[in-house]
Amino acid sequence: TQLLEQSPQFLSIQEGENLTVYCNSSSVFSSLQWYRQEPGEGPVLLVTVVTGGEVKKLKRLTFQFGDARKDSSLHITAAQTGDTGLYLCAGAEGGGADGLTFGKGTHLIIQP
Amino acid sequence: EAGVVQSPRYKIIEKKQPVAFWCNPISGHNTLYWYLQNLGQGPELLIRYENEEAVDDSQLPKDRFSAERLKGVDSTLKIQPAELGDSAVYLCASSFEGYEQFFGPGTRLTVL
Repeated sequence: TQLLEQSPQFLSIQEGENLTVYCNSSSVFSSLQWYRQEPGEGPVLLVTVVTGGEVKKLKRLTFQFGDARKDSSLHITAAQTGDTGLYLCAGAEGGGADGLTFGKGTHLIIQP
Repeated sequence: EAGVVQSPRYKIIEKKQPVAFWCNPISGHNTLYWYLQNLGQGPELLIRYENEEAVDDSQLPKDRFSAERLKGVDSTLKIQPAELGDSAVYLCASSFEGYEQFFGPGTRLTVL
């Protein structure tokens, strides 16, 4: 069973600060997805990274997939209170429609 | 485009009672997943369907859990009898050819 370790588990920062969340594994994933989940809702897909070394930007969010496809990071620039939520990384072991392996998530709180 | 629909959103039952959850995936999505999410954790895959066939049910506790997707569209997940430890959020997700999974809002089950 492949495991994904996310760090930090909890993060509370002031609005306007920058932050980075990490997702690490000893195994290789064919693709990795980042989700954001708010209380009482299901995870919402933010991005999918497939190629080792790939970098994707979504407004103030920058996602990077490690060269070896074992790790990923999410960097948020100038955090806003609306960024508050649970950030989950999830990896697909094979191609196609395999179920995802999720990390435990990073609980992010942005204080005004 | 309508998202993944789940019902009920909340369910409270006493232990040993049966319970069922319903999911309608995004139109055209052939793959359907059921995940379980415990408090403070990431989702864990229970079962994956390709059309009407359950292709991965290795993590489904078959002594009390069952699922069906008779016509390859909507799906039902059942627990009988429910135990205290089954209290969790049950998430349904769907995808087209497995590339990206989209989640419903989940059903929060409380077993008393």
